[in-house]
Amino acid sequence: GEDVEQSLFLSVREGDSSVINCTYTDSSSTYLYWYKQEPGAGLQLLTYIFSNMDMKQDQRLTVLLNKKDKHLSLRIADTQTGDSAIYFCAESVGGSQGNLIFGKGTKLSVKP
Amino acid sequence: GAGVSQSPSNKVTEKGKDVELRCDPISGHTALYWYRQSLGQGLEFLIYFQGNSAPDKSGLPSDRFSAERTGGSVSTLTIQRTQQEDSAVYLCASSLAGKTSVGHNEQFFGPGTRLTVL
Repeated sequence: GEDVEQSLFLSVREGDSSVINCTYTDSSSTYLYWYKQEPGAGLQLLTYIFSNMDMKQDQRLTVLLNKKDKHLSLRIADTQTGDSAIYFCAESVGGSQGNLIFGKGTKLSVKP
Repeated sequence: GAGVSQSPSNKVTEKGKDVELRCDPISGHTALYWYRQSLGQGLEFLIYFQGNSAPDKSGLPSDRFSAERTGGSVSTLTIQRTQQEDSAVYLCASSLAGKTSVGHNEQFFGPGTRLTVL
């Protein structure tokens, strides 16, 4: 079945770059997503990438996609304390744009 | 504009009781999703509504769980005879389009209902 894996914790110093990695299993996924969840809040879409792209950049965020290895990463440049949150990787199921399969989330801690 | 809202924000109940969780999606969004987020787990898909189509119930963990969506808008998730393992945050999301559409389909999430079963 579908499965999305990501490491559970990442700790970085303020100003450093953060890289959060994710692997997925459904090769027919059309879109891959990164969501951010701040404490006590719902999920907020950060960015997404279409499966025929290998990179997408949006200000401090860079998404890299290796479709052959089914590996997705999110790089946050110049990480700030406000970036501390849980980051979820998600894949669209079976090529559809309906259900999403989420990873367990990576908790990013940013130390001053 | 208003986002997805959920009520109650917190619910504490006793084992064996029934609970109802409510979701108000963004106006005009045809697709609505329920997820469960347990401690240390990712988001687990529960059920999906798209317009007037039959819902996709493939994620419901047992027959104690049910959901309905009235008039294509508000949705209620009902858990009967709650168990301690039902304790989790229940998240609702809505989107403009669903499986039958092409293109990126952003899901907008509500803040969730934290359910605690004693």
